[in-house]
Amino acid sequence: AQKITQTQPGMFVQEKEAVTLDCTYDTSDPSYGLFWYKQPSSGEMIFLIYQGSYDQQNATEGRYSLNFQKARKSANLVISASQLGDSAMYFCAMRGGGLKTGANNLFFGTGTRLTVIP
Amino acid sequence: DAGVTQSPTHLIKTRGQQVTLRCSPISGHKSVSWYQQVLGQGPQFIFQYYEKEERGRGNFPDRFSARQFPNYSSELNVNALLLGDSALYLCASSTDRSYEQYFGPGTRLTVT
Repeated sequence: AQKITQTQPGMFVQEKEAVTLDCTYDTSDPSYGLFWYKQPSSGEMIFLIYQGSYDQQNATEGRYSLNFQKARKSANLVISASQLGDSAMYFCAMRGGGLKTGANNLFFGTGTRLTVIP
Repeated sequence: DAGVTQSPTHLIKTRGQQVTLRCSPISGHKSVSWYQQVLGQGPQFIFQYYEKEERGRGNFPDRFSARQFPNYSSELNVNALLLGDSALYLCASSTDRSYEQYFGPGTRLTVT
């Protein structure tokens, strides 16, 4: 069974500074994928970044990067140059199946609320 | 292109009633998944449908059911509503060539 753990209920960061949001995972599948989503107060889940278990390099998308440490089973999100609009809930998630099996469901952690201070 | 749409936005029901939530995926997406997000928690997987067939089911009681139509839109039905069913219900669509799921704005259900 898959499990995602986010141990930081809330984080504060000064505007323009970098922040790291922690995520650890557990799975017995050799092939898996890890996601980070942003959820503003409006409720919609916004995809940020994806890392496959066999990807050789850490994923990056603009100001977002994923610090993937496979041996430690961690997939931390790094946001550089924080902006006021980054204030939101952030969820780490793992896919439960693969494209071949057809089950593409996601398992989510409990989230981290990020507040960017002006 | 339009994103994933869900209706209604908000809904208030009484215990014991039944509710139907609707979702339209992004054009070209054949897979639709449903998630329940209780306040203060992460979303929990309920169902996934692909080409009108159920591909996955989460740990939810039989009161929860879903279906997908030929145009790939989907409905989630919940019978005999309980107070604990109060949550944000999220729909997500995806293709069969990518792991990325695109979420709709959700339907906020309140059971009184």
